[in-house]
Amino acid sequence: LAKTTQPISMDSYEGQEVNITCSHNNIATNDYITWYQQFPSQGPRFIIQGYKTKVTNEVASLFIPADRKSSTLSLPRVSLSDTAVYYCLVGDPPGGGNKLTFGTGTQLKVEL
Amino acid sequence: GAVVSQHPSWVICKSGTSVKIECRSLDFQATTMFWYRQFPKQSLMLMATSNEGSKATYEQGVEKDKFLINHASLTLSTLTVTSAHPEDSSFYICSASSWSGGSNQPQHFGDGTRLSIL
Repeated sequence: LAKTTQPISMDSYEGQEVNITCSHNNIATNDYITWYQQFPSQGPRFIIQGYKTKVTNEVASLFIPADRKSSTLSLPRVSLSDTAVYYCLVGDPPGGGNKLTFGTGTQLKVEL
Repeated sequence: GAVVSQHPSWVICKSGTSVKIECRSLDFQATTMFWYRQFPKQSLMLMATSNEGSKATYEQGVEKDKFLINHASLTLSTLTVTSAHPEDSSFYICSASSWSGGSNQPQHFGDGTRLSIL
């Protein structure tokens, strides 16, 4: 399983765009990139998943460069409720019978 | 869609007691379920992987006789912490995934069970 590296913490203000970058230098050809969000005392919540280029859904965008050695989760116009831990995971393929290895995650703190 | 329900959400019991935690996929059939443990301020640690109708696969260092996992149906997996001791106190989280549309689907997580052993 490819190892991931993320910033331990980030601070932002309401209304700003937040970009969290994850490094995964030894990502394998079949690996997908998945991001989860976790609030205290809750299970992680799936945010977005991608393999290459750009993926967008109703809550976030995921940017993956051509070499796939990193990825960036973009949260547009964050609010206080986006304060949480964000995990970047790399696995082949997503879900199913394949294990996920959680790294340390990024603690995002959004203030007024 | 893709709702995973975990019960109970919180339990306190005396040392030596066995505790059963249930994990249900409410609106999909889970071919695989996973059990994680999370200590305060730490990340999730995978304990075991279970496929319906077969024995669970435990991660290195996880005692299979201590943490009994049963995955008897495509919508239910249980984790039983046998003869629990204070060091077993933790946040236990399950997840479930399925095979749909010709591909594996992302894991969806329950809201966890806070276990406190006195």
